[in-house]
Order: sequence, then structure tokens, then C-alpha cells
Amino acid sequence: VQLVESGGGVVQPGGSLRLSCAGSGFTFSSFGMHWVRQAPGKGLEWVSFIQFDGSTEYVADSVKGRFTISRDNSKNTVYLEMSSLRAEDTAVYYCAKDLVRVAFEFWGQGTLVSVSS
Amino acid sequence: IVLTQSPGTLSLSPGERATLSCRASQSFSSSFLAWYQQKPGQTPRLLIYGASNRATGVPDRFSGSGSGTDFSLTISRLESEDFAVYYCQRYESTSVTFGGGTRVEIK
Repeated sequence: VQLVESGGGVVQPGGSLRLSCAGSGFTFSSFGMHWVRQAPGKGLEWVSFIQFDGSTEYVADSVKGRFTISRDNSKNTVYLEMSSLRAEDTAVYYCAKDLVRVAFEFWGQGTLVSVSS
Repeated sequence: IVLTQSPGTLSLSPGERATLSCRASQSFSSSFLAWYQQKPGQTPRLLIYGASNRATGVPDRFSGSGSGTDFSLTISRLESEDFAVYYCQRYESTSVTFGGGTRVEIK
């Protein structure tokens, strides 16, 4: 199993960014996927979840209306579209493979998003 | 639901037993309680799901228990690679909550 995130970088407050997470080594289209973030020196914060077929999505209140999760099973990729970014969105963003809606079975290595002017 | 982990930091020596606590503000099914390990500079790793089920490849010195509002992770004999931060997690139907973490450091 491998999850590889990309798309992080430095963005100004109010800006937008799209993160990608490419999965391999498993049947990507059969599993839900999550995004989780970790601010520098802080704990883990769940961000969003998408069902295996893209039919259902959930988003944390802290990013609701600003972040959107989506997936393309033909490309084995899940995305996180982030807009109206704030300084407090600065974090390493991880994607994670769902384990039958009880835990996160496997995590990617993360991609750093820094919101700064 | 808020998950409170204690202690914040646990200072122990290799070979000692570590007991980490995770307390929830409301009771929930143990099926949805998981534990993760995160070493410095590394990605989190699933240790325990369903409160007491070890994930694939997790050594049997790690065990989880608890129900209702009180859950715990026990490391029977600490090895050098076990010094890390541990997080508990509640997986709800529409959201996920993490505890603040317990750091296990070398005494």
C-alpha cells in the first residue's frame, strides 16, 4: 500500500490550493479516503472523508464551506480543494485509507501547506 | 464528544510498563475507538482499532482495553522504538475526533 500526497506549498491568505493523493497497492475504488492535518508541533485534526464511490462526503466544521473533497477512481486519486485559506490552515496534510469506517488503516507521508503573506 | 488523553507526558525507562488513558466526554461504542503511534518526523501508524484489536504487524506488547468513556493503551515492556506520541481517536458516522496525544519519553 502506498499513498503519495502532492500539491502543498506556500500560499497567501485568501488563496486557494488543490492537494492530490495517489493510491497504489490496493483496490483504490473499494475504500473510503480521508484527509487529516497536523499544524506544526500540534496534534492531529480530521479534515474530510469521501466514500469509496464518491457518493458521500463529510467535512470538519473548521473547514466547511472552504474545503471540498473529491476523487477520481480512474486515476486512483483523491483530492482536497482548499479555498479562502487562513494562517490557521498551515499544517502538514495527510491522506489516509479508511478501515471499514472504524479507523485509518494507512497514512501517506504528508504534504506541507503554509499560508503566509 | 471530546477525547482527553492523560498524562500529557509519560517518562519511563525501557522495559517498564506504560499505561495511557483516553477519556471521552460521552459514552460511545468501543468499536469506534482506535489508537495511533507517531514517531518524530514520521507519519502516524494505526496500532489498535475497535478498542482492543491490534492492527497488522503490531507487536503483542501493545494492548488496548476499555469501554463507555474510559479507554486505555498499554505497552507491556517499553522498547526503544516505542518512545513516541500516541493518539486515541473516535470514529463517528459523520466525523472523526482525536485526543490531544500522550508523549512517551525516555526517563
